[in-house]
Amino acid sequence: EPEVTQTPSHQVTQMGQEVILRCVPISNHLYFYWYRQILGQKVEFLVSFYNNEISEKSEIFDDQFSVERPDGSNFTLKIRSTKLEDSAMYFCASSDNRYTGELFFGEGSRLTVL
Amino acid sequence: KQEVTQIPAALSVPEGENLVLNCSFTDSAIYNLQWFRQDPGKGLTSLLLIQSSQREQTSGRLNASLDKSSGRSTLYIAASQPGDSATYLCAVRTSSYKLIFGSGTRLLVRP
Repeated sequence: EPEVTQTPSHQVTQMGQEVILRCVPISNHLYFYWYRQILGQKVEFLVSFYNNEISEKSEIFDDQFSVERPDGSNFTLKIRSTKLEDSAMYFCASSDNRYTGELFFGEGSRLTVL
Repeated sequence: KQEVTQIPAALSVPEGENLVLNCSFTDSAIYNLQWFRQDPGKGLTSLLLIQSSQREQTSGRLNASLDKSSGRSTLYIAASQPGDSATYLCAVRTSSYKLIFGSGTRLLVRP
């Protein structure tokens, strides 16, 4: 069964360092998303991406964050200068339809900022 | 602004019981509603997707209903098993690309 894969599963970094989280969406999907879940809190939307550009972003997704689809299969989330409050589980998701499609999520990348 | 609420926050039942998890949302203008399962420290597994024009969806022992006008959905689990222990999340798709999630119901099924 097709699945969304994410790497790394866990990353520990020092405050101020750059982090890149990687995702391989389901191959025939066109809509890609990043969500995050701070420990004990709700899953919250960060950004959606379609046709090589950002479709929508939340207030959380400030200038420290960027997304890219560098090679037609990978979808990456970059955090330029990590803060302690960026510590969270980051989930990638993909869908084949903007409004009615089911979202499929990866296993997540746990980011710990020290 | 869309808000999603799930009740109860936690539930503990003996094996074999049928149970109902509740989800409510404040804005009925949704495209669909999706139920997920999350095991501790793991990703989100999609269980059921109900489009706004549908009233219910079934998959195995799971049945989800949707009453869009009243802003409610229920997830019914029949004959619960210890392997069903997890957190169950509902999320609604509004007039944008994103899903809005509830806080989840943490379910424990006791052997």
